[in-house]
Amino acid sequence: SQELEQSPQSLIVQEGKNLTINCTSSKTLYGLYWYKQKYGEGLIFLMMLQKGGEEKSHEKITAKLDEKKQQSSLHITASQPSHAGIYLCGAEGFGNEKLTFGTGTRLTIIP
Amino acid sequence: ETGVTQTPRHLVMGMTNKKSLKCEQHLGHNAMYWYKQSAKKPLELMFVYNFKEQTENNSVPSRFSPECPNSSHLFLHLHTLQPEDSALYLCASSQEQNRARRDGYTFGSGTRLTVV
Repeated sequence: SQELEQSPQSLIVQEGKNLTINCTSSKTLYGLYWYKQKYGEGLIFLMMLQKGGEEKSHEKITAKLDEKKQQSSLHITASQPSHAGIYLCGAEGFGNEKLTFGTGTRLTIIP
Repeated sequence: ETGVTQTPRHLVMGMTNKKSLKCEQHLGHNAMYWYKQSAKKPLELMFVYNFKEQTENNSVPSRFSPECPNSSHLFLHLHTLQPEDSALYLCASSQEQNRARRDGYTFGSGTRLTVV
């Protein structure tokens, strides 16, 4: 069974609109990472959350980790074409210290 | 450039060929990882090396053979692959294994492998 569920699987958003991507685990996480991937390329690290209730922002992207450390959301404000790509959440805490990833959310920004 | 360099970027090989993927980092990291990314599937961890020692083999078929001669270099040797092995192979590095990493893993751009 998939340990990290991401929703939605794909998202089409008009430029300038806000959007949210979710990452859910059935287990408590020790660390939650958000990455962005351009098609066919490597992953670019966005931010890492570790404490329950923690929130971080980078430019127009904000990520939160809930108090129970089982769900994270990634929010983009006033989306731009440069935000297009695949967003992946990765987590430690499934009985090992290696990153396990969700299936990703493909974000398309339309003018 | 992220600091992790993978070569080649693209590779097409026949099922009887032998080829190698290369990964190099000069970030001072001591842990290196191979991941496989197939369409519509999560990233799959294949191998982990920590201070040049293999610490994880995630039930990977023997037609994939990793090599880590030093903490800066990681290879994935390929032989007698199958078409279903076609995927994006990503290398990553981190400060070390078994420790929470504030800056996450650093990934290379990947090698797009096609087996014909």
